[in-house]
Amino acid sequence: EVQLVESGGGLVQPGGSLRLSCSASGFTFSSYAMHWVRQAPGKGLEYVSAIGNSGRSTYYADSVKGRFTISRDNSNNTLYLQLSSLRAEDTAVYYCVKVSRQHLPYDAFDIWGQGTMVTVSS
Amino acid sequence: DIQMTQSPSSLSASVGDRVTITCQASQDISNYLNWYQQKPGKAPKLLIYDASNLEKGAPSRFSGSGSGTDFTFTISSLQPEDIATYYCQQYDFLPLTFGGGTKVEIK
Repeated sequence: EVQLVESGGGLVQPGGSLRLSCSASGFTFSSYAMHWVRQAPGKGLEYVSAIGNSGRSTYYADSVKGRFTISRDNSNNTLYLQLSSLRAEDTAVYYCVKVSRQHLPYDAFDIWGQGTMVTVSS
Repeated sequence: DIQMTQSPSSLSASVGDRVTITCQASQDISNYLNWYQQKPGKAPKLLIYDASNLEKGAPSRFSGSGSGTDFTFTISSLQPEDIATYYCQQYDFLPLTFGGGTKVEIK
């Protein structure tokens, strides 16, 4: 079964840091670009970041550029998102998502993790 | 950024009704348009990709059409399990962007 399982969320103070992990299984992780999408409580979906299948190329939404870092470990089938300089407006459920087709950096998101909640508050 | 304008933001319909949601892009995105369903407390689920292709395993009552800037998502016969929020998403331009969502309820 193709599966994504996020972890690492929690309560953090403004200005703090957190690292989210996403463990992938059931597919050839190294062949697929991976992305992060977030959803603030009661709000819609917001695109956050992307990383190519090899890890060489990355992309960040303006709202997180310079503060978040996406990375991946293809040997351990794990995606990461390092969150730094956190703000109240970063409070959201963070979803790890897989693209549908191999080797395409941008595509439909066919598999979503269950999400991990990040709360930024003092 | 490409703005994706979904309408309506919410709707109420009876079981068996035909339901239509529209999504308008602020510029031409060809057919790089996907539709997702999100049930309360759950992650979104891909239903339609590339504007009109039904994702494997998705019920055939779901369909999509359109290209360029105007897109339509249809539920041919609304079922109780279709209660959810539906989102369109473009992936032609960075940043990828989502519509604001359409909440579908049973009348």
